[in-house]
Amino acid sequence: QQQVKQSPQSLIVQKGGISIINCAYENTAFDYFPWYQQFPGKGPALLIAIRPDVSEKKEGRFTISFNKSAKQFSLHIMDSQPGDSATYFCAATSNDYKLSFGAGTTVTVRA
Amino acid sequence: DARVTQTPRHKVTEMGQEVTMRCQPILGHNTVFWYRQTMMQGLELLAYFRNRAPLDDSGMPKDRFSAEMPDATLATLKIQPSDPRDSAVYFCASGLRVWRGAGEGLGTDTQYFGPGTRLTVL
Repeated sequence: QQQVKQSPQSLIVQKGGISIINCAYENTAFDYFPWYQQFPGKGPALLIAIRPDVSEKKEGRFTISFNKSAKQFSLHIMDSQPGDSATYFCAATSNDYKLSFGAGTTVTVRA
Repeated sequence: DARVTQTPRHKVTEMGQEVTMRCQPILGHNTVFWYRQTMMQGLELLAYFRNRAPLDDSGMPKDRFSAEMPDATLATLKIQPSDPRDSAVYFCASGLRVWRGAGEGLGTDTQYFGPGTRLTVL
């Protein structure tokens, strides 16, 4: 069974809008939560990551919000651009370095 | 610009044939992963290696899949015999991890993915 649950499956946003993707987990041993971005025909690439000792991390237009008590984390893409159109995967791992991926969210940014 | 390379990029084969996929991890990386991506199951970890030794292959169907690292610059994933249900994109990823024993590691958690091998079994 999937250890990380991700929603929505897909979303469409207008250029300049905000995209929000949510993930939830159960395994309290998870201590590292990356987001990967994947373009068609390419492998996933690390976008941004967070550890549970902080509640938010921002890199440019991408922000992770983390709620340890709720075992939830989310990705916000601010000022969405057509070049952000891709599939986004949340993931989680503990000290064994094995990534458990969410099912993925396909984001389409309309110009 | 260091990157993970995979060959072949595309493979079409008949059911029952042997398939070998190859991966060259980033030089200096000590941990190598094999993932499979399908629409139905998403990204699944098949196996991974630490310092060329298999650490976990519980995600792999043992009767037909095998994974090896003959040397530090080559990882292979073999399917014999192949089956239409094996049709998927197979990704190799590598990373650098300082392992301190008992399965615990320190250092970067980033995994760097290759471009994948798209396998179609007819």
